[in-house]
Amino acid sequence: EVQLVESGGGLVQPGRSLRLSCAASGFTFDDYAMHWVRQAPGKGLEWVSGISWNSGSIGYADSVKGRFTISRDNAKNSLYLQMNSLRAEDTALYYCAKGKTERAAAGQGRFDPWGQGTLVTVSS
Amino acid sequence: DIQMTQSPSSLSASVGDRVTITCQASQDISNYLNWYQQKPGKAPKLLIYDASNLETGVPSRFSGSGSGTDFTFTISSLQPEDIATYYCQQYDNLPRVTFGQGTRLEIK
Repeated sequence: EVQLVESGGGLVQPGRSLRLSCAASGFTFDDYAMHWVRQAPGKGLEWVSGISWNSGSIGYADSVKGRFTISRDNAKNSLYLQMNSLRAEDTALYYCAKGKTERAAAGQGRFDPWGQGTLVTVSS
Repeated sequence: DIQMTQSPSSLSASVGDRVTITCQASQDISNYLNWYQQKPGKAPKLLIYDASNLETGVPSRFSGSGSGTDFTFTISSLQPEDIATYYCQQYDNLPRVTFGQGTRLEIK
């Protein structure tokens, strides 16, 4: 069974940094693109960032470009999101999602499954 | 960036009703469109991929159609367990992905 477990969320002050992790199991991690998608309280889904199976293709939403960095460690079956210069508007539940297509570029295809999310709250 | 406009933003229907949600892209995205269901307090779940393909294990009352800029998601006979928010998602403009704003579906 495919499992994605996010961690690293919490309360952080504006301007500070946080690193999210997503531990993957139940599939060949290095064959699939991975993504971060967030959902602010009571709001819709916003794609944040994606990374291809081999890290050769990476993309970011305009809202986080230059502040967030996505990476993966295929040896550890893990996905990361380094979030710097955090703002109040970054407050959200952050989901890790697996791309469904083998050896796909970042963003390509559908996302399935999704983890349960880790909550990031940016507040002073 | 490609904008995705979903309508309606909310919808109330009765059990057994046929429900339709539309999603319009700001430019031609071919069939690079997926539909997700999100129940309250849960992670999103993939229902339809590439505009019209039913994901494995998803009930056949769910369907999708369209190409280019106009897409439709349909529930042929609404069931109580279908109460959720539904999102479309385009992936034509790689590596960027965008979601529609969501359609909240309630039981009348």
